Amino acid sequence: DVKVTQSSRYLVKRTGEKVFLECVQDMDHENMFWYRQDPGLGLRLIYFSYDVKMKEKGDIPEGYSVSREKKERFSLILESASTNQTSMYLCASSLEPPYEQYFGPGTRLTVT
Amino acid sequence: KQEVTQIPAALSVPEGENLVLNCSFTDSAIYNLQWFRQDPGKGLTSLLLIQSSQREQTSGRLNASLDKSSGRSTLYIAASQPGDSATYLCAVRGRDDKIIFGKGTRLHILP
Repeated sequence: DVKVTQSSRYLVKRTGEKVFLECVQDMDHENMFWYRQDPGLGLRLIYFSYDVKMKEKGDIPEGYSVSREKKERFSLILESASTNQTSMYLCASSLEPPYEQYFGPGTRLTVT
Repeated sequence: KQEVTQIPAALSVPEGENLVLNCSFTDSAIYNLQWFRQDPGKGLTSLLLIQSSQREQTSGRLNASLDKSSGRSTLYIAASQPGDSATYLCAVRGRDDKIIFGKGTRLHILP
């Protein structure tokens, strides 16, 4: 079974802090994704990566950056956390076709 | 721009009934469509993936169909159980590799 893990289930940070969210997958998937999920807005893609050291902006990349130094690990970085970044963050991975996505358990981030 | 809609937003049905969840999309040039379930406060669990060349996929009590020409997919759940209560989301991957999610249908099975 594919396993996608995220470093924290719950995280509370202060405004202005630098925040790292880590995602690890154990199935040698090429593709990895970061989404945020908010009530009424659904899932929105922040960044994705098709290969090591490769990244592409999604629909809402502002205020975020990512790092993929190893194939199994994809990190989301909030350079200076703000209250409007309070959200559920979901990581996913997939193989090349058929592109089935597998999700981690999510990190509920609260910025105060 | 692809738009994915799931109606209704919420649904309650008595235990044991068969039910259908709907997903519609505006651009039929898709690569695949995936159905997920999400329990409160948790991540998404993949249920079924349908490639653009397929008409349906089945897993246990679940059957998903795809009609690209009409821009519709349905998720059929047979003999519903209280454990089926969750939010069900569909996601469409376009030929441009963009993945667009619907906002989900919140399903409640009444014991």
